[in-house]
Amino acid sequence: EADIYQTPRYLVIGTGKKITLECSQTMGHDKMYWYQQDPGMELHLIHYSYGVNSTEKGDLSSESTVSRIRTEHFPLTLESARPSHTSQYLCASSESRGNYNEQFFGPGTRLTVL
Amino acid sequence: AQSVTQLDSHVSVSEGTPVLLRCNYSSSYSPSLFWYVQHPNKGLQLLLKYTSAATLVKGINGFEAEFKKSETSFHLTKPSAHMSDAAEYFCVVTPFGYNKLIFGAGTRLAVHP
Repeated sequence: EADIYQTPRYLVIGTGKKITLECSQTMGHDKMYWYQQDPGMELHLIHYSYGVNSTEKGDLSSESTVSRIRTEHFPLTLESARPSHTSQYLCASSESRGNYNEQFFGPGTRLTVL
Repeated sequence: AQSVTQLDSHVSVSEGTPVLLRCNYSSSYSPSLFWYVQHPNKGLQLLLKYTSAATLVKGINGFEAEFKKSETSFHLTKPSAHMSDAAEYFCVVTPFGYNKLIFGAGTRLAVHP
């Protein structure tokens, strides 16, 4: 079982609210990632970080923002949620060493914006 | 360009029969390949990985996959399906030195009694 946690697991909020999705890992991994996954679809990378104070946008454009102040913590924020943000958000982490990136995934946050 | 194609969006098998989930990839460089499984309301769990060692890779829960460079395939198999295998399966590629995973669209496996 991977030691990566996401809270909340489920969130239903109204349009215009500010929300923060939490992600923490206890494996000491430098690299962390956020993916967005619509029902029945593949995962799309929306943000990643290679270490503290490093954040980059992923392949899929997203209105969310992220921060990486501590190695173990990689929160994702939506300043003003909209129904189009309804989706599942998955956080992952991986080591920096090695030539491949086995990523460990959290359980996900299923977000519904009304 | 790198991409992954999972040839079947849905696969349905009877319990005790073999499972075959097909995956083809396109990669410019020596890739690493993975299969992940996602059970309902759960995160993704790594089933197995290929990283340029043995071409036949054994994973957890009796699954295995064979890397065939000539066919650019990495199909996932299991000799005998179990009800607990019902889930979504993702084939994933990352080229050598590339720091991102590229996901296929997923195959939903249903297992019937």
